[in-house]
Amino acid sequence: EAGVAQSPRYKIIEKRQSVAFWCNPISGHATLYWYQQILGQGPKLLIQFQNNGVVDDSQLPKDRFSAERLKGVDSTLKIQPAKLEDSAVYLCASSLDPLGGTQYFGPGTRLLVL
Amino acid sequence: AQSVAQPEDQVNVAEGNPLTVKCTYSVSGNPYLFWYVQYPNRGLQFLLKYITGDNLVKGSYGFEAEFNKSQTSFHLKKPSALVSDSALYFCAVRDITGKSTFGDGTTLTVKP
Repeated sequence: EAGVAQSPRYKIIEKRQSVAFWCNPISGHATLYWYQQILGQGPKLLIQFQNNGVVDDSQLPKDRFSAERLKGVDSTLKIQPAKLEDSAVYLCASSLDPLGGTQYFGPGTRLLVL
Repeated sequence: AQSVAQPEDQVNVAEGNPLTVKCTYSVSGNPYLFWYVQYPNRGLQFLLKYITGDNLVKGSYGFEAEFNKSQTSFHLKKPSALVSDSALYFCAVRDITGKSTFGDGTTLTVKP
């Protein structure tokens, strides 16, 4: 079974530029998550989708971050414009069940904003 | 708001000795509790979870965790540590809405 796929793996941009990350979850997983992991900290949930609907985006900085999950499969997370403090690893995860289901994580995208 | 505390940034043990990585949580309602491990330059990998039932949960690679409701703890344990267990360990709690909160992680170092 293929795991969660993410691209790109690494991205370097200058502040005020825009960037987009892509995630393809495990086939059949209705729940998809985007996390931000800053160095030395645990993952912080940015947004959670159930199929193509948003379940929780309370910690998403909506003035600069946006995410979509068209057709309830793959998802894109965008940052526009980027700030220095957005430098982090962006993790995508998916699960079968949003409550007791195990979250399976992708390898992450490491973003450096200069 | 829910929270997870991993009070030790670093845990050092000798190979062959038992290890414990501590986790306490705060959440409304019954908790769903998880442990994940992260190796350098790799994504988080699931170790074990507590949903309901037996308070002692067994997981991958010989790890186990004990759910203690009165102490709101979910400590990760292993009877005999291996050098290959050296990694970053995260505890997470999920509430009844499905929202997950992670701790800041504990670096486990097992010395030969």
